[in-house]
Amino acid sequence: QGQLVESGGGVVQPGRSLRLSCATSGFIFRRYAMHWVRQAPGKGLEWVAMISYDGSNKYYVDSVKGRFTISRDNSKNTLYLQMNSLRAEDTAVYYCARGGPYSGSSSYWFDPWGQGTLVTVSS
Amino acid sequence: QSVLTQPPSVSGAPGQRVTISCTGSSSSIGAGYDVHWYQQLPGTAPKLLIYGNNNRPSGVPDRFSGSKSGTSASLAITALQAEDEADYYCQSYDSSLSAYVFGSGTKVTVL
Repeated sequence: QGQLVESGGGVVQPGRSLRLSCATSGFIFRRYAMHWVRQAPGKGLEWVAMISYDGSNKYYVDSVKGRFTISRDNSKNTLYLQMNSLRAEDTAVYYCARGGPYSGSSSYWFDPWGQGTLVTVSS
Repeated sequence: QSVLTQPPSVSGAPGQRVTISCTGSSSSIGAGYDVHWYQQLPGTAPKLLIYGNNNRPSGVPDRFSGSKSGTSASLAITALQAEDEADYYCQSYDSSLSAYVFGSGTKVTVL
């Protein structure tokens, strides 16, 4: 089934940067698309970004385009999210989740999920 | 504001049946994209409950079922149990946004 463990969250000032990591195990990481999904305190889920199995294709929600970068290291079975120019509205628990095989169909689901890492943007 | 609309809350007594609707549009559910459902227990990460409109992953009780028609989808929970108290989210894809989208979430309360 697979396991995902996020790390790198914390408190950061507006305008600063943070990099999240998602270490995976239990499945062939290099064969799957991967996603980041976030959840602001007391709010619903919001998809943030997706990367294809080989890193050649990346997609983002409009609100983070130009500020966030998703990447992966298939040799380390690890997914990353580089977050720059952080804003208060980026405060959320960030989850990594496995998507579909290879480039990931638009109709595919997210499973499994990590436990999440909290990012708080505040001065 | 979420692209997929769900009722904020539903409730039922133990043993009863409840349903949660998920309404999209012609660029999301109505465009043929599959709908998936997730259960989020308090303080935990979301867990896949239904995939591909009406399929249950192994380990999910058959009390949970999904359906899709037109621009909407539904999740039904029969024989409601106390352990079903959680937030439930639908998810699909929206071609006009080029983005994966979630519903606003529904809190299920067992009376």
